[in-house]
Amino acid sequence: AQSVTQPDIHITVSEGASLELRCNYSYGATPYLFWYVQSPGQGLQLLLKYFSGDTLVQGIKGFEAEFKRSQSSFNLRKPSVHWSDAAEYFCALYLMDSNYQLIWGAGTKLIIKP
Amino acid sequence: DAGVIQSPRHEVTEMGQEVTLRCKPISGHNSLFWYRQTMMRGLELLIYFNNNVPIDDSGMPEDRFSAKMPNASFSTLKIQPSEPRDSAVYFCASRNDRALYTGELFFGEGSRLTVL
Repeated sequence: AQSVTQPDIHITVSEGASLELRCNYSYGATPYLFWYVQSPGQGLQLLLKYFSGDTLVQGIKGFEAEFKRSQSSFNLRKPSVHWSDAAEYFCALYLMDSNYQLIWGAGTKLIIKP
Repeated sequence: DAGVIQSPRHEVTEMGQEVTLRCKPISGHNSLFWYRQTMMRGLELLIYFNNNVPIDDSGMPEDRFSAKMPNASFSTLKIQPSEPRDSAVYFCASRNDRALYTGELFFGEGSRLTVL
């Protein structure tokens, strides 16, 4: 069955430090993957997506993600976090061959230490 | 574009009352989704409409919940009667499925429901 796992419920990093949020997926066909961000009190906003081609994908707000088929992973990275990056981050698997469903990870809450 | 518009943003009601949440999707989007978000269960898909037709309502918790999409620019999610365990943030999202290789959902800001 298709699934998305975000192993870290919370991550705390210092402002200015680098960040990596993990996402692993399980899917038998070609995966299409997203990262969304949810700021406090807001809806979710798309950060970036992977459909095909270059496995390193650039997104908004200075984020990038790397697709690694051999590891079934799509980890989100940022070289230097800002206090405004404090939010919850969701990885999602897009099933184009199954009614265009989105399978969501449980989310990772990012806490920024000053 | 105005984005996905939800109302009300906050609703506090008493157990047993009827609650109606409203959503206006982005103009031109042909798919609409209702999600519920809680600390315990995370983000759950309740129902998905395509071209105003319900495609997947398997996430609707029980008969107390109903959703309609009478036209392409409006949808409602109704809970009758409401119970304290329905307290959550309810999100509406829309998508343009005609653009197959985008897949992006656009979310509203949510309706925070508290049932006392």
